[in-house]
Amino acid sequence: GAVVSQHPSWVICKSGTSVKIECRSLDFQATTMFWYRQFPKQSLMLMATSNEGSKATYEQGVEKDKFLINHASLTLSTLTVTSAHPEDSSFYICSARVGGGEGTEAFFGQGTRLTVV
Amino acid sequence: AQSVTQLDSQVPVFEEAPVELRCNYSSSVSVYLFWYVQYPNQGLQLLLKYLSGSTLVKGINGFEAEFNKSQTSFHLRKPSVHISDTAEYFCAVSDRGGYNKLIFGAGTRLAVHP
Repeated sequence: GAVVSQHPSWVICKSGTSVKIECRSLDFQATTMFWYRQFPKQSLMLMATSNEGSKATYEQGVEKDKFLINHASLTLSTLTVTSAHPEDSSFYICSARVGGGEGTEAFFGQGTRLTVV
Repeated sequence: AQSVTQLDSQVPVFEEAPVELRCNYSSSVSVYLFWYVQYPNQGLQLLLKYLSGSTLVKGINGFEAEFNKSQTSFHLRKPSVHISDTAEYFCAVSDRGGYNKLIFGAGTRLAVHP
């Protein structure tokens, strides 16, 4: 199957700093990428839908100024957590769809564990 | 809008026993249905999906699921589990239009014991 690579796998940062997480589709072009957040022992909560060349669509309750999403190319989307605080500590996962047809599979990155101290 | 309910947060089972993980969904439109597996500190891997056609869907690792429209269910089954099946399992739905964003259930922790 298609491969989605997320980097870094884990990161520790100080409160007040910003952290960038990259999501790359390695062997396919992804016009749409999704960013999820997962708290311990909980499900994945969709944060935003990222479309190449346009602004991301954020889910209700997600602060777009805090979670900056950029989808600059068909193979790269980035999530920047700005002015991170301990409550932003979480597991962040991206996914990318292959092609544009309905019901096509979404492939997931391996996730990024963010710890803010 | 869609929602997904996974009725069991944890399912303990002995090795080589059968297992069923339950999933019910709610939607005002037709949906696609998925089951994903997540191993610790990893992303999600697709087990199987229902798009249309036969309501019995077979996936990887010996798993299968049956779509029941009248009961709005999509339960996952495996006739004989292995220790390696221990993981978190997520049921998900997406609508049939737009960007097909996935809405996930809360997850079911499958714990296979020797």
